[in-house]
Amino acid sequence: AQKVTQAQTEISVVEKEDVTLDCVYETRDTTYYLFWYKQPPSGELVFLIRRNSFDEQNEISGRYSWNFQKSTSSFNFTITASQVVDSAVYFCALRFFSGGYNKLIFGAGTRLAVHP
Amino acid sequence: DAMVIQNPRYQVTQFGKPVTLSCSQTLNHNVMYWYQQKSSQAPKLLFHYYDKDFNNEADTPDNFQSRRPNTSFCFLDIRSPGLGDAAMYLCATSRGTLAADSNQPQHFGDGTRLSIL
Repeated sequence: AQKVTQAQTEISVVEKEDVTLDCVYETRDTTYYLFWYKQPPSGELVFLIRRNSFDEQNEISGRYSWNFQKSTSSFNFTITASQVVDSAVYFCALRFFSGGYNKLIFGAGTRLAVHP
Repeated sequence: DAMVIQNPRYQVTQFGKPVTLSCSQTLNHNVMYWYQQKSSQAPKLLFHYYDKDFNNEADTPDNFQSRRPNTSFCFLDIRSPGLGDAAMYLCATSRGTLAADSNQPQHFGDGTRLSIL
């Protein structure tokens, strides 16, 4: 079965702290894609990054970095020097191929609160 | 520029009164999705269209239906809304659903928050 687990329900940090959001996934597929989305209080889901199962290279984009480890089925997301604007719910998602179509399943989300 | 547009942002309807939510896109994507997101939960896929081909998730209630008259527009119809249908409804689009295209991210609209009186 396909599953995404985000064990951290809520995280609270003070501005400028580093924070890591955990994501663990389960899949039997050999080809799959992982995504992170941000959902600010306004409600829209904003795409942050995708990673395919054959590319374990970590990625850095400004203050954001992602650590994909296939051996532990994890795709963790780190925000360096957090800012108040980072406050949002972050969703990890797994895209897999089923019944002739691609489907996306989300983890339960981690609510990040960054305080001044 | 808005690429996936959902109207209205907030919708209030009465218990049992049919309601339609709309979604339009300027991306010319062939796939459109509808998700339901209840408070503090992950989005849950209701159904999607690949072009005109409609695909319903097995656990989507019969109360929920959808129409896609053309590439740009997709509607979510709730025939007889119950209190449990109060949620955020998110529309998303992507290019293709074949395995080769599965790296394409889904682009989401701002959502419509539905309240039931």
